[in-house]
Amino acid sequence: AQTVTQSQPEMSVQEAETVTLSCTYDTSESDYYLFWYKQPPSRQMILVIRQEAYKQQNATENRFSVNFQKAAKSFSLKISDSQLGDAAMYFCAWVHNAGNMLTFGGGTRLMVKP
Amino acid sequence: ETGVTQSPTHLIKTRGQQVTLRCSSQSGHNTVSWYQQALGQGPQFIFQYYREEENGRGNFPPRFSGLQFPNYSSELNVNALELDDSALYLCASSLRPNYEQYFGPGTRLTVT
Repeated sequence: AQTVTQSQPEMSVQEAETVTLSCTYDTSESDYYLFWYKQPPSRQMILVIRQEAYKQQNATENRFSVNFQKAAKSFSLKISDSQLGDAAMYFCAWVHNAGNMLTFGGGTRLMVKP
Repeated sequence: ETGVTQSPTHLIKTRGQQVTLRCSSQSGHNTVSWYQQALGQGPQFIFQYYREEENGRGNFPPRFSGLQFPNYSSELNVNALELDDSALYLCASSLRPNYEQYFGPGTRLTVT
Protein backbone atom coordinates (compact mmCIF):
# COMPACT_ATOMS: atom_id res chain seq x y z
CA ALA A 1 0.00 0.00 0.00
CA GLN A 2 1.11 3.50 -0.74
CA THR A 3 1.86 5.84 2.14
CA VAL A 4 2.51 9.56 2.26
CA THR A 5 4.29 11.11 5.24
CA GLN A 6 4.52 14.73 6.25
CA SER A 7 6.93 14.91 9.16
CA GLN A 8 6.28 18.55 10.09
CA PRO A 9 2.94 18.96 11.92
CA GLU A 10 3.49 22.74 12.10
CA MET A 11 5.70 25.28 10.42
CA SER A 12 6.07 29.01 10.89
CA VAL A 13 7.44 31.63 8.50
CA GLN A 14 7.85 35.38 8.56
CA GLU A 15 5.93 37.30 5.94
CA ALA A 16 8.00 37.76 2.74
CA GLU A 17 10.37 34.94 3.73
CA THR A 18 10.71 31.48 2.17
CA VAL A 19 9.56 28.22 3.73
CA THR A 20 9.87 24.59 2.66
CA LEU A 21 7.37 21.88 3.57
CA SER A 22 8.52 18.27 3.45
CA CYS A 23 6.79 15.19 2.08
CA THR A 24 8.01 11.64 1.57
CA TYR A 25 6.09 8.77 0.04
CA ASP A 26 6.47 5.07 -0.33
CA THR A 27 5.43 3.24 -3.48
CA SER A 28 6.66 0.50 -5.78
CA GLU A 29 4.95 2.14 -8.76
CA SER A 30 6.90 4.12 -11.35
CA ASP A 31 4.10 6.13 -12.98
CA TYR A 32 2.26 8.45 -10.67
CA TYR A 33 1.37 12.03 -9.89
CA LEU A 34 2.11 14.06 -6.78
CA PHE A 35 0.16 17.05 -5.58
CA TRP A 36 0.22 19.73 -2.94
CA TYR A 37 -3.18 20.92 -1.74
CA LYS A 38 -3.89 23.89 0.49
CA GLN A 39 -6.78 23.81 2.96
CA PRO A 40 -7.53 27.19 4.57
CA PRO A 41 -9.92 27.57 7.51
CA SER A 42 -12.76 27.76 4.97
CA ARG A 43 -12.05 23.99 4.55
CA GLN A 44 -12.05 23.90 0.76
CA MET A 45 -9.10 21.91 -0.56
CA ILE A 46 -7.32 23.97 -3.23
CA LEU A 47 -4.84 22.46 -5.68
CA VAL A 48 -1.53 24.32 -5.42
CA ILE A 49 0.78 22.38 -7.70
CA ARG A 50 1.18 19.00 -9.39
CA GLN A 51 4.15 16.97 -10.54
CA GLU A 52 4.23 14.07 -12.99
CA ALA A 53 6.68 11.40 -11.89
CA TYR A 54 8.07 10.92 -15.41
CA LYS A 55 9.13 14.58 -15.59
CA GLN A 56 12.55 15.41 -14.20
CA GLN A 57 11.87 19.12 -14.24
CA ASN A 58 10.45 20.45 -11.00
CA ALA A 59 7.01 22.04 -11.28
CA THR A 60 6.62 25.74 -10.59
CA GLU A 61 3.49 27.80 -10.11
CA ASN A 62 4.20 31.47 -9.37
CA ARG A 63 5.58 31.63 -5.79
CA PHE A 64 5.20 27.86 -5.33
CA SER A 65 7.76 25.34 -6.51
CA VAL A 66 8.60 21.76 -5.72
CA ASN A 67 11.78 19.78 -5.25
CA PHE A 68 10.99 16.32 -6.62
CA GLN A 69 13.56 13.63 -5.85
CA LYS A 70 12.15 10.43 -7.35
CA ALA A 71 14.90 8.10 -6.16
CA ALA A 72 14.59 9.41 -2.63
CA LYS A 73 10.78 9.47 -2.88
CA SER A 74 10.74 13.03 -1.67
CA PHE A 75 8.46 15.86 -2.77
CA SER A 76 8.91 19.15 -0.91
CA LEU A 77 7.04 22.39 -1.47
CA LYS A 78 8.82 25.74 -1.40
CA ILE A 79 6.80 28.89 -0.87
CA SER A 80 8.65 32.07 -1.71
CA ASP A 81 7.74 35.58 -0.57
CA SER A 82 5.24 34.16 1.93
CA GLN A 83 1.99 36.08 2.33
CA LEU A 84 -0.54 36.15 5.16
CA GLY A 85 -2.99 34.40 2.87
CA ASP A 86 -0.67 31.41 2.61
CA ALA A 87 -1.54 30.43 6.20
CA ALA A 88 -3.37 27.11 5.96
CA MET A 89 -3.04 23.35 6.24
CA TYR A 90 -0.97 21.91 3.41
CA PHE A 91 -1.43 18.33 2.27
CA CYS A 92 0.81 16.28 0.06
CA ALA A 93 -1.00 13.64 -2.03
CA TRP A 94 -0.14 10.76 -4.36
CA VAL A 95 -2.11 8.99 -7.07
CA HIS A 96 -1.15 6.25 -9.49
CA ASN A 97 -1.11 7.26 -13.15
CA ALA A 98 -4.00 4.90 -13.90
CA GLY A 99 -5.58 5.16 -10.49
CA ASN A 100 -8.36 7.11 -8.91
CA MET A 101 -7.64 7.24 -5.20
CA LEU A 102 -5.68 10.15 -3.81
CA THR A 103 -3.53 9.11 -0.84
CA PHE A 104 -2.91 12.05 1.47
CA GLY A 105 -0.32 12.80 4.09
CA GLY A 106 -1.31 13.95 7.54
CA GLY A 107 -0.81 17.62 6.71
CA THR A 108 1.39 20.51 7.83
CA ARG A 109 -0.09 23.60 9.43
CA LEU A 110 1.66 26.70 8.08
CA MET A 111 1.53 29.88 10.12
CA VAL A 112 2.65 33.18 8.59
CA LYS A 113 3.81 35.89 10.96
CA PRO A 114 3.38 39.56 9.96
CA GLU B 1 -17.61 27.82 -14.90
CA THR B 2 -19.25 26.55 -11.70
CA GLY B 3 -17.04 24.80 -9.19
CA VAL B 4 -17.85 21.80 -7.04
CA THR B 5 -20.68 22.44 -4.61
CA GLN B 6 -21.84 20.39 -1.62
CA SER B 7 -24.90 20.43 0.59
CA PRO B 8 -25.60 20.80 3.37
CA THR B 9 -22.75 22.75 4.93
CA HIS B 10 -23.29 21.35 8.40
CA LEU B 11 -25.34 18.48 9.73
CA ILE B 12 -25.99 17.05 13.18
CA LYS B 13 -27.34 13.50 13.49
CA THR B 14 -27.90 10.98 16.24
CA ARG B 15 -26.13 7.64 16.44
CA GLY B 16 -28.03 4.99 14.47
CA GLN B 17 -29.63 7.45 12.06
CA GLN B 18 -29.03 7.65 8.34
CA VAL B 19 -27.66 10.63 6.38
CA THR B 20 -27.43 11.70 2.75
CA LEU B 21 -24.84 14.20 1.54
CA ARG B 22 -24.97 15.77 -1.92
CA CYS B 23 -22.38 16.95 -4.39
CA SER B 24 -22.59 18.74 -7.73
CA SER B 25 -19.54 18.25 -9.92
CA GLN B 26 -17.72 20.95 -11.80
CA SER B 27 -19.04 21.63 -15.30
CA GLY B 28 -17.68 19.08 -17.78
CA HIS B 29 -16.52 16.62 -15.10
CA ASN B 30 -17.94 13.08 -15.19
CA THR B 31 -16.12 11.64 -12.18
CA VAL B 32 -16.86 12.21 -8.51
CA SER B 33 -14.79 11.00 -5.56
CA TRP B 34 -15.73 11.14 -1.88
CA TYR B 35 -13.32 11.51 1.03
CA GLN B 36 -13.71 11.49 4.80
CA GLN B 37 -11.49 13.87 6.76
CA ALA B 38 -11.40 13.34 10.51
CA LEU B 39 -10.32 16.28 12.64
CA GLY B 40 -6.58 16.89 12.39
CA GLN B 41 -6.02 14.26 9.72
CA GLY B 42 -5.66 14.01 5.96
CA PRO B 43 -8.65 12.95 3.85
CA GLN B 44 -9.32 9.23 3.40
CA PHE B 45 -10.75 7.92 0.12
CA ILE B 46 -14.25 6.44 0.44
CA PHE B 47 -15.15 5.68 -3.19
CA GLN B 48 -15.32 7.09 -6.68
CA TYR B 49 -18.11 7.18 -9.25
CA TYR B 50 -17.52 7.35 -12.99
CA ARG B 51 -20.40 7.46 -15.45
CA GLU B 52 -22.88 6.38 -12.77
CA GLU B 53 -20.86 3.28 -11.74
CA GLU B 54 -18.69 2.77 -8.66
CA ASN B 55 -15.08 2.91 -9.84
CA GLY B 56 -13.04 2.02 -6.80
CA ARG B 57 -13.58 1.91 -3.08
CA GLY B 58 -11.44 2.55 -0.04
CA ASN B 59 -11.46 0.74 3.26
CA PHE B 60 -14.97 1.73 4.35
CA PRO B 61 -17.81 -0.60 5.42
CA PRO B 62 -20.88 -1.26 3.22
CA ARG B 63 -23.01 1.13 5.26
CA PHE B 64 -21.22 3.82 3.25
CA SER B 65 -22.89 3.82 -0.15
CA GLY B 66 -23.17 6.19 -3.05
CA LEU B 67 -24.94 7.11 -6.20
CA GLN B 68 -24.16 9.15 -9.29
CA PHE B 69 -26.85 10.64 -11.46
CA PRO B 70 -26.95 11.21 -15.24
CA ASN B 71 -25.95 14.85 -14.71
CA TYR B 72 -22.90 13.52 -12.80
CA SER B 73 -23.99 14.89 -9.45
CA SER B 74 -23.56 12.43 -6.61
CA GLU B 75 -24.84 11.37 -3.21
CA LEU B 76 -23.09 9.78 -0.28
CA ASN B 77 -25.32 7.78 2.05
CA VAL B 78 -24.26 6.55 5.46
CA ASN B 79 -26.50 4.16 7.39
CA ALA B 80 -26.43 3.28 11.09
CA LEU B 81 -24.33 6.29 11.99
CA GLU B 82 -21.59 5.85 14.56
CA LEU B 83 -19.86 8.48 16.66
CA ASP B 84 -16.65 7.91 14.65
CA ASP B 85 -18.44 8.98 11.49
CA SER B 86 -18.18 12.56 12.72
CA ALA B 87 -15.92 14.22 10.15
CA LEU B 88 -15.68 16.59 7.22
CA TYR B 89 -16.90 14.86 4.06
CA LEU B 90 -15.28 16.14 0.91
CA CYS B 91 -16.42 15.61 -2.63
CA ALA B 92 -14.06 16.06 -5.58
CA SER B 93 -14.76 16.02 -9.29
CA SER B 94 -12.46 15.38 -12.23
CA LEU B 95 -12.59 15.18 -16.00
CA ARG B 96 -11.69 11.49 -15.90
CA PRO B 97 -11.01 8.99 -13.09
CA ASN B 98 -7.26 9.52 -13.06
CA TYR B 99 -7.22 13.26 -13.72
CA GLU B 100 -6.57 15.89 -11.07
CA GLN B 101 -9.39 16.34 -8.62
CA TYR B 102 -11.09 19.58 -7.65
CA PHE B 103 -12.69 19.70 -4.24
CA GLY B 104 -15.89 21.16 -2.89
CA PRO B 105 -16.14 23.01 0.44
CA GLY B 106 -17.21 19.90 2.34
CA THR B 107 -20.03 18.92 4.66
CA ARG B 108 -19.31 18.85 8.38
CA LEU B 109 -21.17 15.91 9.93
CA THR B 110 -21.48 15.64 13.69
CA VAL B 111 -22.89 12.43 15.19
CA THR B 112 -24.07 12.65 18.80
